[in-house]
Amino acid sequence: DAKTTQPTSMDCAEGRAANLPCNHSTISGNEYVYWYRQIHSQGPQYIIHGLKNNETNEMASLIITEDRKSSTLILPHATLRDTAVYYCIVRDPMKTSYDKVIFGPGTSLSVIP
Amino acid sequence: DTGVSQDPRHKITKRGQNVTFRCDPISEHNRLYWYRQTLGQGPEFLTYFQNEAQLEKSRLLSDRFSAERPKGSFSTLEIQRTEQGDSAMYLCASGITDTQYFGPGTRLTVL
Repeated sequence: DAKTTQPTSMDCAEGRAANLPCNHSTISGNEYVYWYRQIHSQGPQYIIHGLKNNETNEMASLIITEDRKSSTLILPHATLRDTAVYYCIVRDPMKTSYDKVIFGPGTSLSVIP
Repeated sequence: DTGVSQDPRHKITKRGQNVTFRCDPISEHNRLYWYRQTLGQGPEFLTYFQNEAQLEKSRLLSDRFSAERPKGSFSTLEIQRTEQGDSAMYLCASGITDTQYFGPGTRLTVL
């Protein structure tokens, strides 16, 4: 599974859009991009995933570049409850091995009042 | 609340003792995963079950660790002869597809 690179930390003003980038330059054709987040002292929470088309759900939007080497998670109107560590991972769902799924340290997003 | 529950939420034990954690996945989920997470790091994969079959074990899972999922429902993770380095959050996740739904975790402290 491809590795990902994310900024260590980001700040966002409450009510503004939070744009969290992720680089996955070695992504292969069958690998999806998944985003999870982890609020302090809780388990990770699934947010969204996509292959190549942009995706949107009630939590966020996922924009994947045409070459699929990077993506951006967008929280359209960040609230204080969105303060969390955000993880971007890539994975081929047809693979049966999870040993190479790397969460990494993620991006610590602080939403500021 | 994702519907995945873990028990206990916190466990403090002395070095050398055995501990067992339980995970109850969402009922229709046939996939179950265990992860370990230390402070400041993302979750690290430990093991994966599909129904009752343990299909994969990470090299992180030493001989002191054992996981079971009898009847393909709940799962237990046992650590024998605990060491201080085992102190971590132990996370369970379940799913039907590749999307994983995590429980709240069990925080283990080994004194």
